[in-house]
Amino acid sequence: DVKVTQSSRYLVKRTGEKVFLECVQDMDHENMFWYRQDPGLGLRLIYFSYDVKMKEKGDIPEGYSVSREKKERFSLILESASTNQTSMYLCASRTPRLAGEGTDTQYFGPGTRLTVL
Amino acid sequence: DQQVKQNSPSLSVQEGRISILNCDYTNSMFDYFLWYKKYPAEGPTFLISISSIKDKNEDGRFTVFLNKSAKHLSLHIVPSQPGDSAVYFCAAGDSSYKLIFGSGTRLLVRP
Repeated sequence: DVKVTQSSRYLVKRTGEKVFLECVQDMDHENMFWYRQDPGLGLRLIYFSYDVKMKEKGDIPEGYSVSREKKERFSLILESASTNQTSMYLCASRTPRLAGEGTDTQYFGPGTRLTVL
Repeated sequence: DQQVKQNSPSLSVQEGRISILNCDYTNSMFDYFLWYKKYPAEGPTFLISISSIKDKNEDGRFTVFLNKSAKHLSLHIVPSQPGDSAVYFCAAGDSSYKLIFGSGTRLLVRP
């Protein structure tokens, strides 16, 4: 059974603080993702890592950075938190599907509800 | 530009009846589609998927239908149960790593 865990379920920070969100997966998946979920906007991709030390920007990377030093761990960093970064943050992992395979699946963690005051 | 759209933000259904959730997409390069279910304060959980080479996939009470010519898919839940009350996200993927998610539909199943 795939397990993706996130370091905090709820977090309250002040504007300007540096914030670290941690994600760990136990299925040896190569790919890991950070999304944010906002009402009416669905899930939007912030950053993606396809392997250790490898990362790509997603659709909304501004104000965020990431770190992947170990395969199982993917960290999201808010360098200077702002109120518009108040959101639900979701981490996911997957193994790339093989060519010709029908579908693949991303497995999500429980989410971190971040409030920036 | 939203590539995956769920035009109904909410749906209310009586227990035992059918729930039909709809999703439209614009990118013809998408070759597989997924539905995720999300309870409040939890991460999304995978529900069912379909490859573009199929037009139907069934798993218990859940069936996904794909109409490629209309670029439309739907999730049918029969019979609906109160525990099905959640937000349902449609997602689409192609040969890249990305999944594109819709904005979600909140389903309420009334006892």
